[in-house]
Amino acid sequence: QKEVEQDPGPLSVPEGAIVSLNCTYSNSAFQYFMWYRQYSRKGPELLMYTYSSGNKEDGRFTAQVDKSSKYISLFIRDSQPSDSATYLCAMSSYGNKLVFGAGTILRVKS
Amino acid sequence: DTEVTQTPKHLVMGMTNKKSLKCEQHMGHRAMYWYKQKAKKPPELMFVYSYEKLSINESVPSRFSPECPNSSLLNLHLHALQPEDSALYLCASSQWEFVSPLHFGNGTRLTVT
Repeated sequence: QKEVEQDPGPLSVPEGAIVSLNCTYSNSAFQYFMWYRQYSRKGPELLMYTYSSGNKEDGRFTAQVDKSSKYISLFIRDSQPSDSATYLCAMSSYGNKLVFGAGTILRVKS
Repeated sequence: DTEVTQTPKHLVMGMTNKKSLKCEQHMGHRAMYWYKQKAKKPPELMFVYSYEKLSINESVPSRFSPECPNSSLLNLHLHALQPEDSALYLCASSQWEFVSPLHFGNGTRLTVT
């Protein structure tokens, strides 16, 4: 079993839809949670960073961490074709390296 | 534009060549990283520098040699590479090693012929 599981997709949605991207993990020591967006031929771009549990909102993006279920989510409201990219979850614990999910390919159709 | 700058953007090299990848950040971050990314895969850690000292080497072959000349610069020296080393090489930085978010550059796309 991988430490971090993420459905690779692709996930196709119409423009304006609410998108839900998810990762599950097995290591209960993880405390630092990140979401990255990566466009083709570019480096990963940090979207959200959360420490421990809870919700965080930034514009159209909301990140949720449920440590009791070992489950994190990224919601994108009013999705746009420009949101089409690969979304990577990543997490770490103190003193340990970052562990990435496989990445989910998102396609938003106009 | 990202705050981590990598040069060159593209590099083609033969198996007998020696080349270097360069990375620069001006965010005052104390940790810098090299990652390798193959198509449709997540980034894979190679090296970590913390306060300009090599902190982690993920058992990377010696044909890859990192160097951290100062707190803003990170180099990756390449020698006698193999075609399977062709990949996107990403540099990243963070305030503290792994517990603060990593900021990535746009990478160097390396092709070994």
